[in-house]
Amino acid sequence: QQQVKQSPQSLIVQKGGISIINCAYENTAFDYFPWYQQFPGKGPALLIAIRPDVSEKKEGRFTISFNKSAKQFSLHIMDSQPGDSATYFCAAPIDGGATNKLIFGTGTLLAVQP
Amino acid sequence: ETGVTQSPTHLIKTRGQQVTLRCSSQSGHNTVSWYQQALGQGPQFIFQYYREEENGRGNFPPRFSGLQFPNYSSELNVNALELDDSALYLCASSLARDTVLEAFFGQGTRLTVV
Repeated sequence: QQQVKQSPQSLIVQKGGISIINCAYENTAFDYFPWYQQFPGKGPALLIAIRPDVSEKKEGRFTISFNKSAKQFSLHIMDSQPGDSATYFCAAPIDGGATNKLIFGTGTLLAVQP
Repeated sequence: ETGVTQSPTHLIKTRGQQVTLRCSSQSGHNTVSWYQQALGQGPQFIFQYYREEENGRGNFPPRFSGLQFPNYSSELNVNALELDDSALYLCASSLARDTVLEAFFGQGTRLTVV
């Protein structure tokens, strides 16, 4: 099965700092790269997503940077807040292309300290 | 809340038993996907149903089976339960298959096999 490799496994950031989570993929046919946020006891929720025709997408404090040649994409959380403490997953379409049948990374547990 | 409801929220079963998990999709959504999330891992795609037909399956054995009903609600059935089946089972509904339209996740069913 195609993989999406996510790092780091856990991250501690001070309030107001920048959180950076990275993902690498193998299948060049992937055409959709979402990031999901999951709080304890809840299902994942879509945070932000990017198509490979752009190198960056920003929504509020959240930015995806995409490097097609390196087959990597990353999530940047600016001005990190304690309420951002959650587990973050990168994902990609399981069959390539652009579908909502997803393969997920292993997750990054983010703790933002006040 | 996403409008995707799953039942039951928690379940304890004995190895070898069978279990049925249920999912009501968000109003208007005709596609339901099921995922298994082991502790500390990302969700793994089990299968997707679109208009009562299976539309793709992940790397899970045949003892994992599903159904989708005319009202687009869905069931996940697991036969001959194994200890490794202990996980959070998530369903996600979306407006269509094979698109990048967001998949909305329910809160999941926590299955423990003893």
